[in-house]
Amino acid sequence: KAGVTQTPRYLIKTRGQQVTLSCSPISGHRSVSWYQQTPGQGLQFLFEYFSETQRNKGNFPGRFSGRQFSNSRSEMNVSTLELGDSALYLCASSPEGRAGTGELFFGEGSRLTVL
Amino acid sequence: DQQVKQNSPSLSVQEGRISILNCDYTNSMFDYFLWYKKYPAEGPTFLISISSIKDKNEDGRFTVFLNKSAKHLSLHIVPSQPGDSAVYFCAASGSPGSARQLTFGSGTQLTVLP
Repeated sequence: KAGVTQTPRYLIKTRGQQVTLSCSPISGHRSVSWYQQTPGQGLQFLFEYFSETQRNKGNFPGRFSGRQFSNSRSEMNVSTLELGDSALYLCASSPEGRAGTGELFFGEGSRLTVL
Repeated sequence: DQQVKQNSPSLSVQEGRISILNCDYTNSMFDYFLWYKKYPAEGPTFLISISSIKDKNEDGRFTVFLNKSAKHLSLHIVPSQPGDSAVYFCAASGSPGSARQLTFGSGTQLTVLP
């Protein structure tokens, strides 16, 4: 079974630009979450989507947005990039209705550098 | 305001000895806790979890202990192996059903020396 796939793996942007990151969840997983990882900050929750609807949102400015498609694939967008947006963006999927550990399955991440 | 804290950024242990990674939390609403392991250039992978109704959960070489009164949990790895060298993240949520929204600590880099 293929894992969570994120594209692109690496990208470099300049301040003021916008970026779109893509995530394909594990087949059959309907929930997709996004996290931002920066040095010393751990992973910070951005948002979670299920059935094309945003169910939860973290404490990030409105420049960060996302969406989910009918095939459960998800994209996140960051507009008007700032230097502080440089980070590893991780996507995670989870099977809905799974009773138990609540574990997330993470992709390898998209490394964004803002110059 | 960090609700989940891992106060040790790094830990070095000799192969075969015990590794103990610690985590503290402040939100009393958290009732489900997980540990993830992350290798460089890879995404985090789930290691072990514990519900607040338990105080211990074991899986092979890994054991997680939860002390609710102290709002503290720890991960024990026995015996430690060089392949265990990675960053370990502690995470917490309100319940397994909402466990997709996790609050993570900042991580502890474990180095197991051969």
